[in-house]
Amino acid sequence: AQTVTQSQPEMSVQEAETVTLSCTYDTSESDYYLFWYKQPPSRQMILVIRQEAYKQQNATENRFSVNFQKAAKSFSLKISDSQLGDAAMYFCASEGADYGGSQGNLIFGKGTKLSVKP
Amino acid sequence: DAGITQSPRHKVTETGTPVTLRCHQTENHRYMYWYRQDPGHGLRLIHYSYGVKDTDKGEVSDGYSVSRSKTEDFLLTLESATSSQTSVYFCAIKQGELSKTQYFGPGTRLLVL
Repeated sequence: AQTVTQSQPEMSVQEAETVTLSCTYDTSESDYYLFWYKQPPSRQMILVIRQEAYKQQNATENRFSVNFQKAAKSFSLKISDSQLGDAAMYFCASEGADYGGSQGNLIFGKGTKLSVKP
Repeated sequence: DAGITQSPRHKVTETGTPVTLRCHQTENHRYMYWYRQDPGHGLRLIHYSYGVKDTDKGEVSDGYSVSRSKTEDFLLTLESATSSQTSVYFCAIKQGELSKTQYFGPGTRLLVL
């Protein structure tokens, strides 16, 4: 079965500093999508960034960027200039193929809880 | 905001009672999903739909059924709720046939006593 592994249950960063959250995944697909979602205390799941596997260039969205290593099946999230509002659970997800193939459900990691210290 | 609402937002029920959760979307998306979120498990797929009356099972479908009689509504039913179904339930839509990106509703917190 496809798996997504987030090896850091908790991380902490000082405000204005940079932090990197790790994610590895397992897939037999050659073309797929990867995602990072943020879940603040409100519980809302918010899309942070996505990466298409066939694209060599790492995705960026303002202070958020990824380091996508396709051969290593690694997809880390870098948050620059951390802000208090970045404190949340972060989930890595890959497009699943186990259920429905092209229906595109997501396989999630267990999450990393990020704390931001003022 | 992908125009997704869930109802109810919170529910407490007793073991053995039926429960129906509703997901409503306003943007005519074809694909809809139900996930559950439990501590230590992330989100796991329960069922999904790829059109009106077209549904299929996900990873953790036992004890759940779904229905989609209209494009905008996707219902999740617990036929006879058990304490193991205490969880937070999220509905999601996939935006477009090719986008692969899912957007989530606000979630429903269900407590089965």
